[in-house]
Amino acid sequence: QQQVKQSPQSLIVQKGGIPIINCAYENTAFDYFPWYQQFPGKGPALLIAIRPDVSEKKEGRFTISFNKSAKQFSLHIMDSQPGDSATYFCAASLSGTYKYIFGTGTRLKVLA
Amino acid sequence: DTAVSQTPKYLVTQMGNDKSIKCEQNLGHDTMYWYKQDSKKFLKIMFSYNNKELIINETVPNRFSPKSPDKAHLNLHINSLELGDSAVYFCASSLSPGRELFFGEGSRLTVL
Repeated sequence: QQQVKQSPQSLIVQKGGIPIINCAYENTAFDYFPWYQQFPGKGPALLIAIRPDVSEKKEGRFTISFNKSAKQFSLHIMDSQPGDSATYFCAASLSGTYKYIFGTGTRLKVLA
Repeated sequence: DTAVSQTPKYLVTQMGNDKSIKCEQNLGHDTMYWYKQDSKKFLKIMFSYNNKELIINETVPNRFSPKSPDKAHLNLHINSLELGDSAVYFCASSLSPGRELFFGEGSRLTVL
């Protein structure tokens, strides 16, 4: 019940493409679903997050789509750029508790 | 001003030695964590602290001993280092449990 399954493990797209990374969770009590972006040699940093009362959230070129009934959420990167090449982690947590589960990560490479 | 800072950034040592990593956050957060990231990029929670008190020890060997002298600092001491301890160790903090995590840049430990 504590897993967050993330796919794909790696992804290569051309510049301008729209990479999509998917995550599925099991615990319906989770109420916070963030995505973190990690560049080589750096720590993960929050990119965008969503709560389960909305189905979509956009911040710039990054969009989270959330499907509560399917217990799935995904990250879309519009007009991807080489500078978006990084490892992306989804996560799920329950506010006020220490339950904070990370997905296994997706290494994205955007070709120039 | 770095929000979460860790030192040192790199450690190279022999098996059996002891090493420490220091972490400081200037965000005024009450909650701090240690994460381990292995070569496959998996992020695994090790310890969670709230206001200097240990909340969760995620079945980490007792060779790992965290210490929080105050709520802005969380240090990690590792005794009798083993080859399998080679990883990147991240310190993180959050305003409250289950919310956005702020990570340090990591400390890469290599055990020879």
